[in-house]
Amino acid sequence: GAVVSQHPSRVICKSGTSVKIECRSLDFQATTMFWYRQFPKQSLMLMATSNEGSKATYEQGVEKDKFLINHASLTLSTLTVTSAHPEDSSFYICSAMSGADTQYFGPGTRLTVL
Amino acid sequence: QKEVEQNSGPLSVPEGAIASLNCTYSDRVSQSFFWYRQYSGKSPELIMSIYSNGDKEDGRFTAQLNKASQYVSLLIRDSQPSDSATYLCAVNDPRNTDKLIFGTGTRLQVFP
Repeated sequence: GAVVSQHPSRVICKSGTSVKIECRSLDFQATTMFWYRQFPKQSLMLMATSNEGSKATYEQGVEKDKFLINHASLTLSTLTVTSAHPEDSSFYICSAMSGADTQYFGPGTRLTVL
Repeated sequence: QKEVEQNSGPLSVPEGAIASLNCTYSDRVSQSFFWYRQYSGKSPELIMSIYSNGDKEDGRFTAQLNKASQYVSLLIRDSQPSDSATYLCAVNDPRNTDKLIFGTGTRLQVFP
């Protein structure tokens, strides 16, 4: 149980375009999902907390107009990187909360912006 | 002081040995503690959670929690080369218990 999927696993896009990443909890309902970013050889950095049916809560320094999060159902959250630039190239990982406090991670999406 | 601290390593152990990974945290009121394993280029995978003082065993893994000393450790018995990965310690954020605070991870290398 507690399987989380992400799509796509890898995406390459041109600078200035937008990219949407989907995160799904496959065998449980997740009222709360999280979006992280990880640069090479660094630890996970929480970007935002996504709650079903409400606006996401962004961490300090994360631009909410650039990283649009939608949590439309109990099994799906999406992250859209708008007007992507090379510095947005990173490994984006979502997690979904199962039970009171346990987070299960998706496989991640590697974004490369040319 | 970082909220969750881990030695970055690498920690090198021979195959079959016990690997001991340590983590300290700064907020005394933290209640939930997790160990994740992350292979290079992959996302974190939950190994164990622990909430009470003492030991919790799951197969070759044992998590140890000492709230008075504010440390949590992970022991891996009979280490295998496939255990080579970065191990992340995570602690719930007392200000928002939904959130986890991650350490920077300890890189473990198990050599044959």
